Amino acid sequence: KNQVEQSPQSLIILEGKNCTLQCNYTVSPFSNLRWYKQDTGRGPVSLTIMTFSENTKSNGRYTATLDADTKQSSLHITASQLSDSASYICVVSATYNQGGKLIFGQGTELSVKP
Amino acid sequence: DTAVSQTPKYLVTQMGNDKSIKCEQNLGHDTMYWYKQDSKKFLKIMFSYNNKELIINETVPNRFSPKSPDKAHLNLHINSLELGDSAVYFCASSHGGRGFYEQYFGPGTRLTVT
Repeated sequence: KNQVEQSPQSLIILEGKNCTLQCNYTVSPFSNLRWYKQDTGRGPVSLTIMTFSENTKSNGRYTATLDADTKQSSLHITASQLSDSASYICVVSATYNQGGKLIFGQGTELSVKP
Repeated sequence: DTAVSQTPKYLVTQMGNDKSIKCEQNLGHDTMYWYKQDSKKFLKIMFSYNNKELIINETVPNRFSPKSPDKAHLNLHINSLELGDSAVYFCASSHGGRGFYEQYFGPGTRLTVT
């Protein structure tokens, strides 16, 4: 069964601190892995997309890693800001003959406190 | 200059009613999607259209009927609404439908069925 699991479910950190979010997946056939940020009451916004051949990708203070062998990914946030408070969703894309499909994790709820 | 827009943003209605949600994108994409985000925050694909043609149709009750009058629009009509239909519905769009490209999400429509 295609699944994406994230940990922790929620996380509280102080402003300025770093944190790492985890994602494990069992999706086949694998096309790419994405991290999205979803602010409360808004649609998800893409942070990174990685194919199986990419080990790491950065977007500002966000750095994602991918280990396609162990089917694990992480999202590292550096020097957190209050505006980083959001849900971070790991998404794996599966590609079939009839089209591609995104499989979403349940998200990690990050709260950055002053 | 909104990229993906949805109307209405909030929809409160009674069981048994029929309602529609509209989606428009001005990104020139050829693929559009409808997602449902339940109370546990999981986003799940419902439908995908490529060049006005249905390419993904997940196990969704046939009370839900998508309609794509052109590449820039994908509307969702729901008949005989039930309590379990209460959720946030997101529209998205991308280049191509095979899961390779970035998907851009609308702001969501929060549907409450009473």
